[in-house]
Amino acid sequence: GENVEQHPSTLSVQEGDSAVIKCTYSDSASNYFPWYKQELGKRPQLIIDIRSNVGEKKDQRIAVTLNKTAKHFSLHITETQPEDSAVYFCPKIFGNEKLTFGTGTRLTIIP
Amino acid sequence: DTAVSQTPKYLVTQMGNDKSIKCEQNLGHDTMYWYKQDSKKFLKIMFSYNNKELIINETVPNRFSPKSPDKAHLNLHINSLELGDSAVYFCASSQDLRFLTEAFFGQGTRLTVV
Repeated sequence: GENVEQHPSTLSVQEGDSAVIKCTYSDSASNYFPWYKQELGKRPQLIIDIRSNVGEKKDQRIAVTLNKTAKHFSLHITETQPEDSAVYFCPKIFGNEKLTFGTGTRLTIIP
Repeated sequence: DTAVSQTPKYLVTQMGNDKSIKCEQNLGHDTMYWYKQDSKKFLKIMFSYNNKELIINETVPNRFSPKSPDKAHLNLHINSLELGDSAVYFCASSQDLRFLTEAFFGQGTRLTVV
């Protein structure tokens, strides 16, 4: 199958705390795992991605970890700030140039 | 310099009308897409084109017809608009997903059918 499940669907975090969003996938051939962020009224934008030959990647307060055995990858945001409030997507890349998204995770940072 | 631009940004129209949304990318990408995002933020692919050729058509009604005059442009024409067509439509482009690269989105077109 080529399904991606993202959890949780909504997440509220106190400002300054950490947030973790997880995606599970079923296609063993997957080798590219991007995360997109969509702020309210804006376009989705890539914030971080990881390839299958790497277990973790960091960029300041955000990081992505990959567990190929368990078939999941996670987005970690530390020291959350109000501007982190957004919808986060883990799209799935299929063959034939198909980049598919779902409902994402709505992250709300509570001041 | 905008990478992916789509026009108009807002579109309000009556049921039954025909409308078009234009999209252009200046990134030299081979692949372009149209996505529909509903009020619950579900972002669903509608079409993808690679070098002006249709690659994906995701069970979209025939009232929706994409047109790609060249690989930098992918326009979306919608006939006989219905209330359920109200959504935000995003155009996007990428070099080629087989090369595992970033997708760039336009700013979106908020279509409201009344």
